[in-house]
Amino acid sequence: SFELTQPPSVSVSPGQTASITCSGDKLGDKYACWYQLKPGQSPVLVIYQDTKRPSGIPERFSGSNSGNTATLTISGTQPMDEADYYCQAWDSNTGVVFGGGTKLTVL
Amino acid sequence: QVQLQESGPGLVKPSETLSLTCTVSGGSVNNSYWSWIRQPPGKGLEWIGYIYYSGSTKYKSSLKSRVTMSVDTSKNLLSLKMSSVTAADTAVYYCARERSLSFDLDYWGQGTLVTVSS
Repeated sequence: SFELTQPPSVSVSPGQTASITCSGDKLGDKYACWYQLKPGQSPVLVIYQDTKRPSGIPERFSGSNSGNTATLTISGTQPMDEADYYCQAWDSNTGVVFGGGTKLTVL
Repeated sequence: QVQLQESGPGLVKPSETLSLTCTVSGGSVNNSYWSWIRQPPGKGLEWIGYIYYSGSTKYKSSLKSRVTMSVDTSKNLLSLKMSSVTAADTAVYYCARERSLSFDLDYWGQGTLVTVSS
C-alpha cells in the first residue's frame, strides 16, 4: 500500500525558514497537500495541489513536489506557526493517505 | 462557508458499535465527497473512508469490515458506524469535505472525542 514518510520533528528559530519533507513512491506524480494541526483545533489546509495556498493562508507558506518528495516551506517562521504538520496524498488503491506528522518547534 | 459538526456518544463500550453523525450547513452534500478521519490520542491522522453524495463509498482496507458510511441528502447529514470497537478505536473523529479534483480536505468539523471503555 502507498505510504508517506515525514520526519517526526523539525526545529527552527523565529524568522528563519523551516522545511518539512514528505516522501512516498513517485509522490511527484500525485497531488500533495499539507495540513496544520494545533492542539484542540481542527486541521487547517495550508497547501493544496502541491503549491497552492487557500485563501487566508499567509504567503510565507509554500510547497513543492517532485520525484519522491514533497516539501512544505515556511519562510520567516513565526511562533504562531508552531504546530503539527501532516502531508497527504491520494492513491487509487489505498485512498487518502496521511504522513505520520511532523512537530514543528519554533525556538 | 461550509460548516461541519460531528455529534454522537462520547463513550462507547468495547465490542459495541460507534455511531456518529455529521451535519453539513452553509452548503449541500450534493456533488461532493465526504471523508471521515480520526486521530487517536498522541498519534497521527488516520483516514477512515469517504462517501460520495450518491452513496458510493471507499473505506480504508484495514477498517473495511467494521465501517459503514451513509448520507441523507435531504437532511444534509452524514453518518459513520464502526462495529466491534476496542480501546484502539478511541480517538477524535472528524468529518471533512474531500475535493474530487485534488483529493484534499478543505472543510473540517471541529471533531468529537469518542472513548471506548467499559
